[in-house]
Amino acid sequence: QQQVKQSPQSLIVQKGGISIINCAYENTAFDYFPWYQQFPGKGPALLIAIRPDVSEKKEGRFTISFNKSAKQFSLHIMDSQPGDSATYFCAASINGGFKTIFGAGTRLFVKA
Amino acid sequence: DTEVTQTPKHLVMGMTNKKSLKCEQHMGHRAMYWYKQKAKKPPELMFVYSYEKLSINESVPSRFSPECPNSSLLNLHLHALQPEDSALYLCASSQERGGWEQYFGPGTRLTVT
Repeated sequence: QQQVKQSPQSLIVQKGGISIINCAYENTAFDYFPWYQQFPGKGPALLIAIRPDVSEKKEGRFTISFNKSAKQFSLHIMDSQPGDSATYFCAASINGGFKTIFGAGTRLFVKA
Repeated sequence: DTEVTQTPKHLVMGMTNKKSLKCEQHMGHRAMYWYKQKAKKPPELMFVYSYEKLSINESVPSRFSPECPNSSLLNLHLHALQPEDSALYLCASSQERGGWEQYFGPGTRLTVT
């Protein structure tokens, strides 16, 4: 019940294309859903996050879509760039944000 | 300043050694976290401190001993580690409960020989 399932494991997208990463959860107590971006040798950095009372959130080229009834959420990266090549983790938090469960990660490669 | 710093960047230790990892933040955050990340895996929560008190311990073996001497510092004391403990150890901080965004440091790459 504490798991967050993420797919795909890896993704190759052409420059300018749309990258889509999907996540699903079971525990309805989760109340905060962040996405983190991690470059090799660096710590994760918060990219964008959403609360379950919102169905969509957009920040620049990054959009989260959230489907509360299906317990699924996804990250869309529009106009993908080579600099977006990184590992992306979806996550879900409970307990006032203290306890964060990460998905397995998606390694994105954007071809120039 | 939204930076979390961690020292050392790399650490190699034998199974009988005692060493410590250090984390520091000056954002006024009152919650601090230790995560363990194995290669090509997601971060796994180890400990959470809130207002310098241990709030969450995710059943971590006692060879890992956290310490929060003040609101800006977080240490992780290591003793009698096993080779399988080799990983990237990440520190993070956030505002107190309800401050959802966590800021991560660059991590300490630990190798146990």
